[in-house]
Amino acid sequence: GEDVEQSLFLSVREGDSSVINCTYTDSSSTYLYWYKQEPGAGLQLLTYIFSNMDMKQDQRLTVLLNKKDKHLSLRIADTQTGDSAIYFCAESSTGGYQKVTFGTGTKLQVIP
Amino acid sequence: GAVVSQHPSWVICKSGTSVKIECRSLDFQATTMFWYRQFPKQSLMLMATSNEGSKATYEQGVEKDKFLINHASLTLSTLTVTSAHPEDSSFYICSARKFGTWSTDTQYFGPGTRLTVL
Repeated sequence: GEDVEQSLFLSVREGDSSVINCTYTDSSSTYLYWYKQEPGAGLQLLTYIFSNMDMKQDQRLTVLLNKKDKHLSLRIADTQTGDSAIYFCAESSTGGYQKVTFGTGTKLQVIP
Repeated sequence: GAVVSQHPSWVICKSGTSVKIECRSLDFQATTMFWYRQFPKQSLMLMATSNEGSKATYEQGVEKDKFLINHASLTLSTLTVTSAHPEDSSFYICSARKFGTWSTDTQYFGPGTRLTVL
């Protein structure tokens, strides 16, 4: 079955860049997502990338995909205290109508 | 936009009672909605896929008689936790599929409902 792995915790200083890493096992993954969850809240879709892309940039966010190694990363430039949250990597093989498999989540702590 | 709401956001109930959670897509129609469960400090686990006008598809290990799902309209799906027990306490999150082109077809998540069973 599908498996998505992330490191559990990352701590960075305000203003630095954060890089959150994710690995997945399903070679048929087509959509790869990054979600943000603040305490007690639901999930916010930050960005997603298709498997035929290797990079996507959206303002302070940069997603890198190494399809050969099944490795996905999310880089947050100029990290702010408001970026403190849990970040979930997720994958889906066929888009919105199929289930999304989530990683374990990485808790990002931003130190002022 | 694509906004999904859930109601209630927080519910506390006694053991043995049933609790209904609503998931609504506010500005789009959703033929498919999904129900997830999240335990503290853990990831989201899909419980079931809800399709408008038909029976829900449950993931392995999820009791369909325990977690009743009704997707009566294109904007509303409900999850009823029947005869709730303390082990059902969890954060329940729904998502709704916003149909689009291959590049935009994705799910949008609700804010979640925290259920505490005493």
